[in-house]
Amino acid sequence: RKEVEQDPGPFNVPEGATVAFNCTYSNSASQSFFWYRQDCRKEPKLLMSVYSSGNEDGRFTAQLNRASQYISLLIRDSKLSDSATYLCVVNVGSGNTGKLIFGQGTTLQVKP
Amino acid sequence: DVKVTQSSRYLVKRTGEKVFLECVQDMDHENMFWYRQDPGLGLRLIYFSYDVKMKEKGDIPEGYSVSREKKERFSLILESASTNQTSMYLCASSPWGTAGKLFFGSGTQLSVL
Repeated sequence: RKEVEQDPGPFNVPEGATVAFNCTYSNSASQSFFWYRQDCRKEPKLLMSVYSSGNEDGRFTAQLNRASQYISLLIRDSKLSDSATYLCVVNVGSGNTGKLIFGQGTTLQVKP
Repeated sequence: DVKVTQSSRYLVKRTGEKVFLECVQDMDHENMFWYRQDPGLGLRLIYFSYDVKMKEKGDIPEGYSVSREKKERFSLILESASTNQTSMYLCASSPWGTAGKLFFGSGTQLSVL
């Protein structure tokens, strides 16, 4: 079983739709969690951290369920520009750099 | 804005060549990382450094070495390139104590023939 698992998709949705991705992790001692966005042939960029109580940034909402060991990303009112691959990242270490495990990513295609 | 610059966007080398990949960051970050990204495998950590002249092995260090002589520069060296090292190489940096919050360079697509 992979340490961090994501459904690779692609998720094809129309503009304006709400879409949600889940990511499961196997290490119950995981310290912190993140979502990154990676556009085609570009580098990953931090989208948002995921906090225990859930957090929102505009149209994006991230949630953490420690009991079931998954994190989620909800995108409301999808835009064409949201088309990208979304990487789930789990920190299973501690200290300065931690130990990051990247999921393989979920691809989102938003259609007009 | 933080800028992480990788010296080449595309690189083609022959098996057995010594290959240098350079990375420079301009935000005085303590931590620097080298990852490779392969389809179906995600990003995997090769080496990282948290200070000048300090280096730590990541998950897949075999066949690679690194050098950090200056804070802003972190070099990845393939001592004798092999075809299984064909990949996208991504450099990243982060400030001290911000585990998970990485700034990536635009990547080097290396092909070893």
